[in-house]
Amino acid sequence: DTAVSQTPKYLVTQMGNDKSIKCEQNLGHDTMYWYKQDSKKFLKIMFSYNNKELIINETVPNRFSPKSPDKAHLNLHINSLELGDSAVYFCASSQEISGGSKETQYFGPGTRLLVL
Amino acid sequence: GQQLNQSPQSMFIQEGEDVSMNCTSSSIFNTWLWYKQDPGEGPVLLIALYKAGELTSNGRLTAQFGITRKDSFLNISASIPSDVGIYFCASNSGYALNFGKGTSLLVTP
Repeated sequence: DTAVSQTPKYLVTQMGNDKSIKCEQNLGHDTMYWYKQDSKKFLKIMFSYNNKELIINETVPNRFSPKSPDKAHLNLHINSLELGDSAVYFCASSQEISGGSKETQYFGPGTRLLVL
Repeated sequence: GQQLNQSPQSMFIQEGEDVSMNCTSSSIFNTWLWYKQDPGEGPVLLIALYKAGELTSNGRLTAQFGITRKDSFLNISASIPSDVGIYFCASNSGYALNFGKGTSLLVTP
């Protein structure tokens, strides 16, 4: 069974559209993340979320919003898509351990978004 | 987040050769992680280091957490074609991982 899964794997859409990417983890973890990987393969955190708090990277435009219907899911909604949003988006999850630090993060296979 | 300087940016080697890559930072970290990303996949954890000076192996891979807590290296011995991919160092920034820019490894038979 896949530990962290994302759908869709590929997403091609027009500028200005609104789209969502879904993420599910079956590891029982309490924290989930969204990362963006640009064309130069640089991985950058967008959001960190558990049932206590949402932490947002201040450089992320507010067109991006995470939505968590339950502990096992963290979906990414993107409004008014722009050309520069084209990238690979990775979901990840981890378990918070005592003292607030996080255990190892497990990544999904990625969603390749292309905005035309 | 804190900047991680990873080098080399890319390596092109022959099967059987040993490989070394490293990561440095001006900041002190409590954790160093090494991930590998295969083409078309998400990063997968190879080795996690939690203590300054720690040397840890995972098969042909060996990684060390620098004694100053500002650097780490990853060695791959006797490389094989399936070692191809991008290797990332990462540190825990508090709420998420902070990644280096990756070392792209190509292995020819």
